[in-house]
Amino acid sequence: DVKVTQSSRYLVKRTGEKVFLECVQDMDHENMFWYRQDPGLGLRLIYFSYDVKMKEKGDIPEGYSVSREKKERFSLILESASTNQTSMYLCASRPRDEYNEQFFGPGTRLTVL
Amino acid sequence: GQNIDQPTEMTATEGAIVQINCTYQTSGFNGLFWYQQHAGEAPTFLSYNVLDGLEEKGRFSSFLSRSKGYSYLLLKELQMKDSASYLCAVLDSNYQLIWGAGTKLIIKP
Repeated sequence: DVKVTQSSRYLVKRTGEKVFLECVQDMDHENMFWYRQDPGLGLRLIYFSYDVKMKEKGDIPEGYSVSREKKERFSLILESASTNQTSMYLCASRPRDEYNEQFFGPGTRLTVL
Repeated sequence: GQNIDQPTEMTATEGAIVQINCTYQTSGFNGLFWYQQHAGEAPTFLSYNVLDGLEEKGRFSSFLSRSKGYSYLLLKELQMKDSASYLCAVLDSNYQLIWGAGTKLIIKP
């Protein structure tokens, strides 16, 4: 059974804190993605990675960075959390072929106070 | 710009049929995905269309017309568990997924 896991379901942080969101997949997928999901908006791509140590900016990378040291793990880092980064963060993975479906983790609901 | 439009919310009755529409304007087209997302859960894949026409998968069917920039998801014999948001996403010419905001479907008994 394919699986994408995220380190936390709920997280509360203070403005200015450094925040790490971890994502692990067990399907040996090449591609991994970080999205944020806000009410009334579609999923917005923050960063993606198509291989170990490779990363590409998505549509809204400002205020975020990522790390992919191992194939199965993709981390999202908020260098200095701000209240406008309060959101649901979804991680996904996908095999190399773009026509394949993405498999999503359960999401992390981050609140920045 | 790239744009995907879906109705924000729809209501239907248990046992009935509902059609959720999606129109898109994107730079190129390499296929259209439908995902289902229950409240507080991850999106899960429903269908992928790249050729015109209707594809049926049990109670769910998905239709695509590339010339009209239009797709719909048809749900038959609605069940209460079908209450969820339905997300339409288009794979553009750069093979990036462009997501619609989703349609929240409410099923009433």
